[in-house]
Amino acid sequence: ETGVTQSPTHLIKTRGQQVTLRCSSQSGHNTVSWYQQALGQGPQFIFQYYREEENGRGNFPPRFSGLQFPNYSSELNVNALELDDSALYLCASSLPGTSGLTDTQYFGPGTRLTVL
Amino acid sequence: GNSVTQMEGPVTLSEEAFLTINCTYTATGYPSLFWYVQYPGEGLQLLLKATKADDKGSNKGFEATYRKETTSFHLEKGSVQVSDSAVYFCALSADNYGQNFVFGPGTRLSVLP
Repeated sequence: ETGVTQSPTHLIKTRGQQVTLRCSSQSGHNTVSWYQQALGQGPQFIFQYYREEENGRGNFPPRFSGLQFPNYSSELNVNALELDDSALYLCASSLPGTSGLTDTQYFGPGTRLTVL
Repeated sequence: GNSVTQMEGPVTLSEEAFLTINCTYTATGYPSLFWYVQYPGEGLQLLLKATKADDKGSNKGFEATYRKETTSFHLEKGSVQVSDSAVYFCALSADNYGQNFVFGPGTRLSVLP
């Protein structure tokens, strides 16, 4: 069973540019969530995708968008990058819990984005 | 909204000392509770979880009990090792899909030999 993988590992962009981050979910997991983890803080929920549809969104502006593909892999796109977007971006995959709640999430190693 | 509060770190202990990291939460309904650990340079790993009141999660010598009456999920270990040095995050999963996984700010633990 393969774990969650993310690419690239590190990325440097300048303000105003656009970036795409990629995530492959753990085998058999149909739900992918994205988080932003600023230095020294806990992860903040960006959004979740379930069967290729957005299934919940945190307090992030529309310039943060995503996609999920039929094989359940996912992309996070950020437009018009700002300096405050510099963070570790984490992808997590899971299966919906029996009650409909998201159960245990399995995290990838993250992509470190630096915006100059 | 849902939230998680953790004791502020950093926490510095000597090897074999007893560890407690406090975690309290605010949530609607009956959330599942988790502890995740982040070792230096790595992503988050699930340490343990509990899905209902009075459940005890345990793993690698760590334990935490879901206390609904005090809305707490404190992490404990009887004897820490240098290899336990990491950042520990308390988290909850509730029934609000807009914020269905909420993390605390993390507590950095350093264990000295």
